[in-house]
Amino acid sequence: GDSVTQMEGPVTLSEEAFLTINCTYTATGYPSLFWYVQYPGEGLQLLLKATKADDKGSNKGFEATYRKETTSFHLEKGSVQVSDSAVYFCALSARNNDMRFGAGTRLTVKP
Amino acid sequence: GAGVSQSPRYKVAKRGQDVALRCDPISGHVSLFWYQQALGQGPEFLTYFQNEAQLDKSGLPSDRFFAERPEGSVSTLKIQRTQQEDSAVYLCASSLAGTSGAGYEQYFGPGTRLTVT
Repeated sequence: GDSVTQMEGPVTLSEEAFLTINCTYTATGYPSLFWYVQYPGEGLQLLLKATKADDKGSNKGFEATYRKETTSFHLEKGSVQVSDSAVYFCALSARNNDMRFGAGTRLTVKP
Repeated sequence: GAGVSQSPRYKVAKRGQDVALRCDPISGHVSLFWYQQALGQGPEFLTYFQNEAQLDKSGLPSDRFFAERPEGSVSTLKIQRTQQEDSAVYLCASSLAGTSGAGYEQYFGPGTRLTVT
């Protein structure tokens, strides 16, 4: 079945460091890919998405490119801030919109 | 406007009790989803409604789990004879799209944390 595998955490970085969180997927057909973020004490929020191969999603300085050849959707940010500390979830949607999520990666950014 | 709301936010149940969890989706959203999120894990799909029709319930873990959305708006997830393994956060999400809308954003509620003792 459809599934997502993402880099295990936790990840701890210093402020202004470069961030990569790896995500790969398995799906039949052509899924849409998402990154959701969960800040402490809050619900899941959409961070960015891409709906077809080679699309790049971007928001708040985060980027991810839909790579069909490597079945990947890695999340990157050039310079993280303390306020980026959260849990990040990679997800796919291939039919009926229901999401298949990865296990989540906890990011802590230290000043 | 208002987002997705869920109630109660926290629920403690003794093993064997029945519980009912409520979800109020964003007004006008066609699709509604329930997910179960165990501690330290990503959400796992339980069931999906398009308006009042339950189109997919393949993720419900047992026949103790039942969901309804009788008027195509508010939904209730009911768990009968709760077990300790049912302890989790139950998330509701809604989306504008119908079945052909892969790629549409799902808007999540804050979740109900269920603890079965």
